[in-house]
Amino acid sequence: IAGITQAPTSQILAAGRRMTLRCTQDMRHNAMYWYRQDLGLGLRLIHYSNTAGTTGKGEVPDGYSVSRANTDDFPLTLASAVPSQTSVYFCASSVSGTVGYNEQFFGPGTRLTVL
Amino acid sequence: QQPVQSPQAVILREGEDAVINCSSSKALYSVHWYRQKHGEAPVFLMILLKGGEQKGHDKISASFNEKKQQSSLYLTASQLSYSGTYFCGTESADSWGKLQFGAGTQVVVTP
Repeated sequence: IAGITQAPTSQILAAGRRMTLRCTQDMRHNAMYWYRQDLGLGLRLIHYSNTAGTTGKGEVPDGYSVSRANTDDFPLTLASAVPSQTSVYFCASSVSGTVGYNEQFFGPGTRLTVL
Repeated sequence: QQPVQSPQAVILREGEDAVINCSSSKALYSVHWYRQKHGEAPVFLMILLKGGEQKGHDKISASFNEKKQQSSLYLTASQLSYSGTYFCGTESADSWGKLQFGAGTQVVVTP
């Protein structure tokens, strides 16, 4: 089934631990995005990638890193988790990075709690 | 700075209409609208481009006022399935290629 998968579905993590959230899409989309969603703040862009091999910073990149080794996968890493990174994380993709012409497809999300 | 959505929440009876506004202090290139049901991922509704026409999706339509840097989403003859949180995402000159989302408008449609 075409779409975006994220893993894990949810995770409780001790502060200071390293964590990688996985995102895979099978739609051959060039652009991929990571957002965090917090109550009252909507979705905020963490990092994005317009094509395999390139990445860029969004609004709230601090404490997060990404890589884009191939078209399908876009993992998000928290090097040393802090409680303020407790959030729901959504991965999204679109045909290209030309935002004005391309809808974004969202994965089911990962609920992360950092204690 | 994220766009401002209003109202924050609205309760409708089935068949009633509602308008959700999305305003920005920046010159906008495009506006996206998404709907998110509780516990689910956001789902795309439509994109409006600077200089583009009003768009429609079933009985949900939207407009883009370039002079005001504002987009409005119109829910006409609302159905129970319209319940959810609606988000606008804006692309502007200093965020070209990236969307900034509003805080969302919660819509509840009752029988």
